[in-house]
Amino acid sequence: GQNIDQPTEMTATEGAIVQINCTYQTSGFNGLFWYQQHAGEAPTFLSYNVLDGLEEKGRFSSFLSRSKGYSYLLLKELQMKDSASYLCAVDGNNRKLIWGLGTSLAVNP
Amino acid sequence: SAVISQKPSRDICQRGTSLTIQCQVDSQVTMMFWYRQQPGQSLTLIATANQGSEATYESGFVIDKFPISRPNLTFSTLTVSNMSPEDSSIYLCSVEEQGNEQFFGPGTRLTVL
Repeated sequence: GQNIDQPTEMTATEGAIVQINCTYQTSGFNGLFWYQQHAGEAPTFLSYNVLDGLEEKGRFSSFLSRSKGYSYLLLKELQMKDSASYLCAVDGNNRKLIWGLGTSLAVNP
Repeated sequence: SAVISQKPSRDICQRGTSLTIQCQVDSQVTMMFWYRQQPGQSLTLIATANQGSEATYESGFVIDKFPISRPNLTFSTLTVSNMSPEDSSIYLCSVEEQGNEQFFGPGTRLTVL
């Protein structure tokens, strides 16, 4: 079957670093997405990993290990506005995204 | 990235009625998708809107309940038919661009009484 696991909730402090993990088991794999979704808003694209390794984009980095079925999103220098849900999604067969349930991140002062 | 708009942004409807949601993109795109996101849940794909042919529905979704139109490469509609309170949700359209990234419209928040 298709399965994507993320922690449900995480809490961190402003200025700190937080790592949000995602493990997946899917029948096909073309790449892995991370999206950010603020309450009441649509998801916004953060990153797309196809190859193993770390991709850095400003304060956000995303890592992928295809052999381990594992990814993480790393958020540095946390700001209050980073409080949101972070969704992991796998680009499987037929160009359909398989979505995790999301990790709700609360950043405290 | 493409700019995507949806109408209406929100609506409150009576059970048994139908609502049509519009999705407009500022550029031509091949792949358009319709999702539902129920409160506190992740996204569930309803169907892929194909230009010039019938939409492709996911398991658990049928054309009679969620008819979709895709008259051209910049526009699509999703109708939620014979609504019940269980249809209360956020409905999102998305488009796929080069690199397989999907970008989302702002969503339509539907409440069925």
